[in-house]
Amino acid sequence: GENVEQHPSTLSVQEGDSAVIKCTYSDSASNYFPWYKQELGKGPQLIIDIRSNVGEKKDQRIAVTLNKTAKHFSLHITETQPEDSAVYFCAASIRSNYQLIWGAGTKLIIKP
Amino acid sequence: NAGVMQNPRHLVRRRGQEARLRCSPMKGHSHVYWYRQLPEEGLKFMVYLQKENIIDESGMPKERFSAEFPKEGPSILRIQQVVRGDSAAYFCASSPQQDYEQYFGPGTRLTVT
Repeated sequence: GENVEQHPSTLSVQEGDSAVIKCTYSDSASNYFPWYKQELGKGPQLIIDIRSNVGEKKDQRIAVTLNKTAKHFSLHITETQPEDSAVYFCAASIRSNYQLIWGAGTKLIIKP
Repeated sequence: NAGVMQNPRHLVRRRGQEARLRCSPMKGHSHVYWYRQLPEEGLKFMVYLQKENIIDESGMPKERFSAEFPKEGPSILRIQQVVRGDSAAYFCASSPQQDYEQYFGPGTRLTVT
């Protein structure tokens, strides 16, 4: 069946450095790829998304890149800050225009 | 503009009892989605509803689980005769139209003892 693999499961970076989280997906028909940030005890919050007709999208310190040929996409966070510490999830659309398959999450730790 | 609201935030039930989870979508949103999250895993789609209609329940177990979204009031996810394996965080999301871009509530953490 369809799946999304996410790496690494835990990422620890020094404050101010960059963080990169990678995901691969299996369904070649997927055309929407969101990234969510989940803080402890809260629901996921959409932070950036990309559709299959573009290769890169940027919003301030956050960027997402998509390689449809290789079926992988990545989240890049630059100049990391303590408030970036959270669990980050990638997801990919499947079958319909509302269903998403989620990765297992990456726990990002920003060291002061 | 209030976000998606879920209650209760925490729910403890003994095996065999019923659990009722409520979700009030964002104002103006008529599409509701329920997800389940086990510890250290991503969210798993359960069911998608519009007002008074179940659109897709392909991710919901066939037995003991049901969902509704009445014309008036919140959406309800109901789990009958709960078992320990039902312990999880249940999230509700809403959108103004059928779409991937969904806004999530804070979740209900169900613990079955």
